[in-house]
Amino acid sequence: NAGVTQTPKFQVLKTGQSMTLQCAQDMNHNSMYWYRQDPGMGLRLIYYSASEGTTDKGEVPNGYNVSRLNKREFSLRLESAAPSQTSVYFCASLRVRGEKLFFGSGTQLSVL
Amino acid sequence: KQEVTQIPAALSVPEGENLVLNCSFTDSAIYNLQWFRQDPGKGLTSLLLIQSSQREQTSGRLNASLDKSSGRSTLYIAASQPGDSATYLCASYTGNQFYFGTGTSLTVIP
Repeated sequence: NAGVTQTPKFQVLKTGQSMTLQCAQDMNHNSMYWYRQDPGMGLRLIYYSASEGTTDKGEVPNGYNVSRLNKREFSLRLESAAPSQTSVYFCASLRVRGEKLFFGSGTQLSVL
Repeated sequence: KQEVTQIPAALSVPEGENLVLNCSFTDSAIYNLQWFRQDPGKGLTSLLLIQSSQREQTSGRLNASLDKSSGRSTLYIAASQPGDSATYLCASYTGNQFYFGTGTSLTVIP
């Protein structure tokens, strides 16, 4: 049982490049989330998907897009990376309200 | 918007000491509150989950309490060990989104 799997673990981009962060969970969870974690700012929600087929903006959605490909997979796309998007990105999933939130191991992204 | 605060930001204690980590939140209309542990370079692992109707939850040496009316939660760690060294984060859940504190970085000195 792998839980929440994120790829890649590390990535370096140049300003203006695009990339997609992948996230998959094998726990049959309904809701999935993308967060970024920056020093001194805690975790901030980028986008979330309450259920398959739905996505909603979080606190910091600008510069990102998401796709809930199916119940298992939720990807985050940076169309034109900026240095301000240098951060650690976490994917998380939740089966139903009232249960524990599970996290992936994160992607450390640097934009030069 | 829910604001979650954790004090202190960092804490250093000798091994064996009992300690309390604090978490406060501005909106008491929460569904539940969760405590997480984060090791350097790793993701977050849920330690304890307290539903809004509960007062506390226990797991081994960990005990978390919740006082919704005052907007506070505490995580009590008994007989601390060097392996407890990590960052501890709390998160309130509104039934729609999670709101995280910035964490308390704990160092337990052997």
